[in-house]
Amino acid sequence: AQKVTQAQTEISVVEKEDVTLDCVYETRDTTYYLFWYKQPPSGELVFLIRRNSFDEQNEISGRYSWNFQKSTSSFNFTITASQVVDSAVYFCAVAGGTSYGKLTFGQGTILTVHP
Amino acid sequence: DTAVSQTPKYLVTQMGNDKSIKCEQNLGHDTMYWYKQDSKKFLKIMFSYNNKELIINETVPNRFSPKSPDKAHLNLHINSLELGDSAVYFCASSQGRLAVTDTQYFGPGTRLTVL
Repeated sequence: AQKVTQAQTEISVVEKEDVTLDCVYETRDTTYYLFWYKQPPSGELVFLIRRNSFDEQNEISGRYSWNFQKSTSSFNFTITASQVVDSAVYFCAVAGGTSYGKLTFGQGTILTVHP
Repeated sequence: DTAVSQTPKYLVTQMGNDKSIKCEQNLGHDTMYWYKQDSKKFLKIMFSYNNKELIINETVPNRFSPKSPDKAHLNLHINSLELGDSAVYFCASSQGRLAVTDTQYFGPGTRLTVL
């Protein structure tokens, strides 16, 4: 069984603030993959990152960074110097190595960045 | 060029009708999926196909029938539509040889409204 918990339902920040979106996952697989997707107001789902369970290095991509902590089963996402265009619903997801690609999503965090 | 496309984007229909949603991907991927996003934004997998073979079949009413004429297409047919079927349906694809968890790329979604 797989499960993802995104405890923050909604976050509201002012532009240029840093914001961290939390993600806690559960899976019985020893090999698994973690993902973040962004869903802007236009509705499409945009892939942000994929990370496998053997790679605990943090990743930075521009203003985005991800912190993977296997010990706490967390895969948190930080946006530095947030912008209005970052306003979206962000989904964390897990796929166990034996799940044949079945993505299990968290309930999503609605991020609103105010000018 | 759109990587994963869905038609139609919006679908409004009466209860009891039968409707289809089409999905096509031009990425050369082997695996395609259908997800349902409910009114609370919760995303859940419905089906996946790998090279035209059904791999994942979640607990979905048998009024829903996926059909994959070739590996670039995965259509979703819904019989006897009910009010509870109203949702956004997303198609996705991944490179995915079987049992490999590759990144899934999503289509723009089809908003189905059942009146």
